[in-house]
Amino acid sequence: DGGITQSPKYLFRKEGQNVTLSCEQNLNHDAMYWYRQDPGQGLRLIYYSQIVNDFQKGDIAEGYSVSREKKESFPLTVTSAQKNPTAFYLCASRDRSGISSGNTIYFGEGSWLTVV
Amino acid sequence: RKEVEQDPGPFNVPEGATVAFNCTYSNSASQSFFWYRQDCRKEPKLLMSVYSSGNEDGRFTAQLNRASQYISLLIRDSKLSDSATYLCVVNGGRNFNKFYFGSGTKLNVKP
Repeated sequence: DGGITQSPKYLFRKEGQNVTLSCEQNLNHDAMYWYRQDPGQGLRLIYYSQIVNDFQKGDIAEGYSVSREKKESFPLTVTSAQKNPTAFYLCASRDRSGISSGNTIYFGEGSWLTVV
Repeated sequence: RKEVEQDPGPFNVPEGATVAFNCTYSNSASQSFFWYRQDCRKEPKLLMSVYSSGNEDGRFTAQLNRASQYISLLIRDSKLSDSATYLCVVNGGRNFNKFYFGSGTKLNVKP
């Protein structure tokens, strides 16, 4: 089945540690996104990438880093510089051409990160 | 001012009721509009795109008002399974690769 796979689903991080959240898609989408959602809040854009080897900061990029070495993969690293990382992280992708699925964004099932 | 604003609710309605949500957006250059549904502790899922002429999908109707910069979602004959948070999504106008999400409107459908 085509889709977006995020792992791990639940992750606990100690203060001062970096952690990396995986996002893989087999939808052949060019664009990929990382959002963060806090309880009772909307989604906020962390980073996005339109093509391989290119990415741009979103609205809350501080304390995060990404890479886009392959079309299918867009991992997010939450660094120790992110002061309040506990949140629900959502990876998404979109077909930029709009041919296969219009302009729709599709999401993975999300990763819950908790700082302990 | 936020890019997208929604009434957080909750809207508590009985089964069978008709309920409507509005969402306002700030960037007049926005071109793409969507409604997503999000269940508790789950990822958002596309409910429907919103077209300029308005569109309907079963019990759901979406409308776009460009002059007043809002989109609406109407749900007829509410079901218990419609209970969820409904997110309004708008693309970023000149930067059409960015998408902005509202905080969501919570709907509770009661028996």
